[in-house]
Amino acid sequence: SQQGEEDPQALSIQEGENATMNCSYKTSINNLQWYRQNSGRGLVHLILIRSNEREKHSGRLRVTLDTSKKSSSLLITASRAADTASYFCATDALLGANSKLTFGKGITLSVRP
Amino acid sequence: DSGVTQTPKHLITATGQRVTLRCSPRSGDLSVYWYQQSLDQGLQFLIQYYNGEERAKGNILERFSAQQFPDLHSELNLSSLELGDSALYFCASSVASYNEQFFGPGTRLTVL
Repeated sequence: SQQGEEDPQALSIQEGENATMNCSYKTSINNLQWYRQNSGRGLVHLILIRSNEREKHSGRLRVTLDTSKKSSSLLITASRAADTASYFCATDALLGANSKLTFGKGITLSVRP
Repeated sequence: DSGVTQTPKHLITATGQRVTLRCSPRSGDLSVYWYQQSLDQGLQFLIQYYNGEERAKGNILERFSAQQFPDLHSELNLSSLELGDSALYFCASSVASYNEQFFGPGTRLTVL
């Protein structure tokens, strides 16, 4: 079952603009991770945010986490054509010593030059 | 390059056959995970191993099995293949549970 639900499903913006993608989930988590996937290729890890963190930055990426609302957002600032890809949020639920990522369906981001 | 390697890159086979997918985790990572990505199901967790032991199981069919060897590489065995098993199979690794999972490039399986 898909726990992470991303919103919107597709996003088209102009180069230089900011892109905001949202993710909602249902159960308690240890952490939430964002990934990027270029068409049919491997998943690139972008950022991990733990349940006791509220915000994290990495280069042009900013991730927030609101555990009370069970939601997260990924902001890409000053987007580039190379950011065109599918973006997934994945939740790592509390499972004792075990770990498994539950992915959403993904957001397709198109950045127009 | 994530440091996780998977072979083969592509695999084309017929229904009813059996295949083995191989994964080598990043140096130092003890946990290995297998995921399946298909158009209708999206990305689904299959199974986790930690230092040779099975730790968590997801939506893995009984026709599928996996193992992690003493050198920490892992293999996913798919048998009695059906058309619906056509998908991208990813391996990921992490140093331990609840850490960043780094994905390999995937094996694209086509069942004809």
